[in-house]
Amino acid sequence: GNSVTQMEGPVTLSEEAFLTINCTYTATGYPSLFWYVQYPGEGLQLLLKATKADDKGSNKGFEATYRKETTSFHLEKGSVQVSDSAVYFCALSDRNTGNQFYFGTGTSLTVIP
Amino acid sequence: NAGVTQTPKFQVLKTGQSMTLQCAQDMNHEYMSWYRQDPGMGLRLIHYSVGAGITDQGEVPNGYNVSRSTTEDFPLRLLSAAPSQTSVYFCASTLARNTEAFFGQGTRLTVV
Repeated sequence: GNSVTQMEGPVTLSEEAFLTINCTYTATGYPSLFWYVQYPGEGLQLLLKATKADDKGSNKGFEATYRKETTSFHLEKGSVQVSDSAVYFCALSDRNTGNQFYFGTGTSLTVIP
Repeated sequence: NAGVTQTPKFQVLKTGQSMTLQCAQDMNHEYMSWYRQDPGMGLRLIHYSVGAGITDQGEVPNGYNVSRSTTEDFPLRLLSAAPSQTSVYFCASTLARNTEAFFGQGTRLTVV
């Protein structure tokens, strides 16, 4: 079946530190991979996506590369800001199962000045 | 540009009461879904629809009903609320398979 495993939080970093949030997946078909971000009291917003192996998604300084050989889609940012404090969700969508999304449990990030 | 609109934002119910969570999208998306978000469990799919008149169950459908009479609307009905249904509920819509999902702001439901 399909599932997503992401690193447990919470994560606390100082401003300008390097961020990595690990995400691995299992899928029966050919998934697209996503990172969503949830700010307090809000819904989920798409941060970045990749639709096939070796694609790199990027947005707002965040990057993630679709690695089929390691079934991973780790989120990275070189220098975090206080405004990046949020919960980050890794997700996959498998065309074999229609538009169903499978989410990881979320990683809470707090960036302190 | 409204996107996905959910109402209400907050709701408190007594055990056994019924209610409907509303979801509407104005992007002409065919796919719509309902998720619940619980601490430490991410988002779990309740029901989804691939078009008007077509619905199917997700991972945790028990206690919930849906219908899709129009492309725009996808209401979620709680038939007899239970404390285990205390959660944050999100509606999402998707244009096509494997494209991004757009989420509403969520409904925080408490069942006492």
